[in-house]
Order: sequence, then C-alpha cells, then structure tokens
Amino acid sequence: EDKVVQSPLSLVVHEGDTVTLNCSYEVTNFRSLLWYKQEKKAPTFLFMLTSSGIEKKSGRLSSILDKKELFSILNITATQTGDSAVYLCAVATSGTYKYIFGTGTRLKVLA
Amino acid sequence: DAGITQSPRYKITETGRQVTLMCHQTWSHSYMFWYRQDLGHGLRLIYYSAAADITDKGEVPDGYVVSRSKTENFPLTLESATRSQTSVYFCASSDTGSSEKLFFGSGTQLSVL
Repeated sequence: EDKVVQSPLSLVVHEGDTVTLNCSYEVTNFRSLLWYKQEKKAPTFLFMLTSSGIEKKSGRLSSILDKKELFSILNITATQTGDSAVYLCAVATSGTYKYIFGTGTRLKVLA
Repeated sequence: DAGITQSPRYKITETGRQVTLMCHQTWSHSYMFWYRQDLGHGLRLIYYSAAADITDKGEVPDGYVVSRSKTENFPLTLESATRSQTSVYFCASSDTGSSEKLFFGSGTQLSVL
C-alpha cells in the first residue's frame, strides 16, 4: 500500500529559528513529490521535486529530494509568525495519476 | 473568474439525507480529485477522474458517488449521509500534461447531525 509519512507531527519554535520538516514515502510508480502550506483554508503550492539532490528554493524556504532513501525535507530559515501553518507533503504517482498525502506537520512560530 | 470553485462553503445536514457538493474548474484540467480532511488523517482521496466519463475510487470511497459528464464539473454526492462523513471536503484539479501541481478549491465544511 502506498504511504507518505511526515515528521514531526507538530513543532513549536520561536521567531528566527530554523526548522526542518521531514517526509518519507513508499509508493509504486513515483512521479514527483510536492509540498503545500495550509493555513485554515485550501492548501497552497510550495514546491515540486522530481530529481534527487536538486534543491528548490523560494526565499527562506528550500526543499530537496532523495529518491534513493525515499525522503524529502523542507527547510525554513529565520522563521516568522506568518510561517505558522500545516505543511503537507504529497507524492504523485504515475499510471493512476494519484496524489497521496501525508498527515502534515503543524508548525507554530511564537513571537 | 478562472480557477476552481466549490459550493457550498458550509453545509449542515441530517443523517440519512442526500447531499451533493459541487466543484467547477475553468482551466480545462483533465484530472479532478475529491479529498476529505480530518484531524489525524490528513487529506484522504475519495474519488478521482482522469477525464469526462472516467472516474475511479480512491482510498475512502464508501458512501460517496461521483460523476463527470463535463470536463469542468465534478460533483460529489453523499447518498445517505452519516455522522462519520462530517469533514472538510476539498476538490482539486491538475493538468498532468503541462504541470503536475495540484490546485485546490476553497473547501466545503460539512456537518452531519
């Protein structure tokens, strides 16, 4: 059975801290891995990763994929209170073209 | 406006009633999905559709019915609502031909009393 596991489940940090969120997966027919941010409404897209070892970066956020060890990390540096959200990891599969989500990591950034 | 829209935003119903949640997208994306989101479970796939008239079950399809007679619409029907179907429902779409991003509607919060 395909599955995506995220850790930690929740995290509380102070502004300015750096956090690393983890996503591991076991799926057949891997196509891509996506990260989303969800703040009390619909998830919004952050990154899509398809190749190992190539870092994607957007401001203070970055992500990398390891297809050999079947995991990805999402890093947020110099956290701000606006980073407080649930971060979702999803794996897209080929063949059936499904997106399988992990349960998410709830991040709270304290001022 | 272009995008993916869901209706209603909020719905309260009683057990045993039939409820239909609507989803409409204006991008002509081929793939559309229905997810439910519950605490501790994340987003779970209910049904998905690869094109008009092609649908398939996801992880938690029991008690739900979908149809896709037109590319832009993908309604989800709860045939006889149960309390366990109280959840937030998200419709999503993607165009795997050009971009693999999944775009979400704003969600429907459904309460079954």
